[in-house]
Amino acid sequence: KQEVTQIPAALSVPEGENLVLNCSFTDSAIYNLQWFRQDPGKGLTSLLLIQSSQREQTSGRLNASLDKSSGRSTLYIAASQPGDSATYLCAVRPRSGGYQKVTFGIGTKLQVIP
Amino acid sequence: EPEVTQTPSHQVTQMGQEVILRCVPISNHLYFYWYRQILGQKVEFLVSFYNNEISEKSEIFDDQFSVERPDGSNFTLKIRSTKLEDSAMYFCASSGDSGRQETQYFGPGTRLLVL
Repeated sequence: KQEVTQIPAALSVPEGENLVLNCSFTDSAIYNLQWFRQDPGKGLTSLLLIQSSQREQTSGRLNASLDKSSGRSTLYIAASQPGDSATYLCAVRPRSGGYQKVTFGIGTKLQVIP
Repeated sequence: EPEVTQTPSHQVTQMGQEVILRCVPISNHLYFYWYRQILGQKVEFLVSFYNNEISEKSEIFDDQFSVERPDGSNFTLKIRSTKLEDSAMYFCASSGDSGRQETQYFGPGTRLLVL
């Protein structure tokens, strides 16, 4: 059974700092990995989707990497801003055995202090 | 930009009652999903729906739950005989014509409270 772990559980940084959020998964047979942002009491906003054949994806100040063999992904946020404060979730889609059954991590709660 | 919408935003019900949660997916999407998130816990996959039938479901999605696409735009989740432990945020999501590769777009959620 796929398990997704996110470290740290919470992170507080001053504005302007670069930071890295980590996601690890136990079964490397994934189809893709997606990073989401969740604001309190709100839905999930997709940030980046990395296919299993890719090593990284970039969007603005965000860069996500994927090392499938080691079961790891990182989300790099450059020059953090107070508006980045949210919970960041990673989710993996399996390659087989129910490829719609996306498994989520519990998230990293980020606070960017002005 | 197209978005997934959900109604109601909040619902309070008595234990044993039936509830229907409604979603309007993005119009040209073909795959639809329901997830739930119990307070403080992970987002959990419930069910996926494609071509007017369930394509996959999790162990959570038992006979108490059902999904339907009653018309060309709505996608519903029905929970029969609600239990206290059904209290959670329920998210609908949709994705495009290649369900494996396409990004999933989530709605804002319905917060269900069972008393």
